[in-house]
Amino acid sequence: DAKTTQPPSMDCAEGRAANLPCNHSTISGNEYVYWYRQIHSQGPQYIIHGLKNNETNEMASLIITEDRKSSTLILPHATLRDTAVYYCIVRARANAGGTSYGKLTFGQGTILTVHP
Amino acid sequence: DVKVTQSSRYLVKRTGEKVFLECVQDMDHENMFWYRQDPGLGLRLIYFSYDVKMKEKGDIPEGYSVSREKKERFSLILESASTNQTSMYLCASSQQGRDQPQHFGDGTRLSIL
Repeated sequence: DAKTTQPPSMDCAEGRAANLPCNHSTISGNEYVYWYRQIHSQGPQYIIHGLKNNETNEMASLIITEDRKSSTLILPHATLRDTAVYYCIVRARANAGGTSYGKLTFGQGTILTVHP
Repeated sequence: DVKVTQSSRYLVKRTGEKVFLECVQDMDHENMFWYRQDPGLGLRLIYFSYDVKMKEKGDIPEGYSVSREKKERFSLILESASTNQTSMYLCASSQQGRDQPQHFGDGTRLSIL
């Protein structure tokens, strides 16, 4: 799976949009971009994923550049409860059999702090 | 909403004990996973299962076994607990399908004394 690079920390004011960047310059054609977040002492929470088109759901938007080498997670109106570590993961489509099947590998992530 | 429930949030056991961690999902997912998460080491896959009674080793299966007798339940067993198995254990599940995301439980923080 391709390696990702994220800034170690970011701040955002409550009510403003939080834009979290992720670089994945070695991504290959069959690899998806996934975003998860983890609030202290809880399990990771799935946010959104995409292949090449921009995606939006009730939690966030995912913007993937045309060359697919980077992406941005957008939380449109950040709240204090969005303070968490955000992980960008690039993962190939799962194969049948083998230990790589479905495995997620989290990097260091971005610590997002939303302040009043 | 997907619900993955782990039986305990916190657990304290003694060295040499046999420890059972239970995980139940309510979304009829085919795939289930056990990970452990340690500071500085990130998330590491212990075992996964893609069907009832089927299991595959992950990256760190030593000292662990699993059981999947029913589709909704995936158990992790520490055969003889050791202090280096003190960790946060996370269960996840996903639908069959090449891009389906995994959904996690809240984790069990296990301490082996």
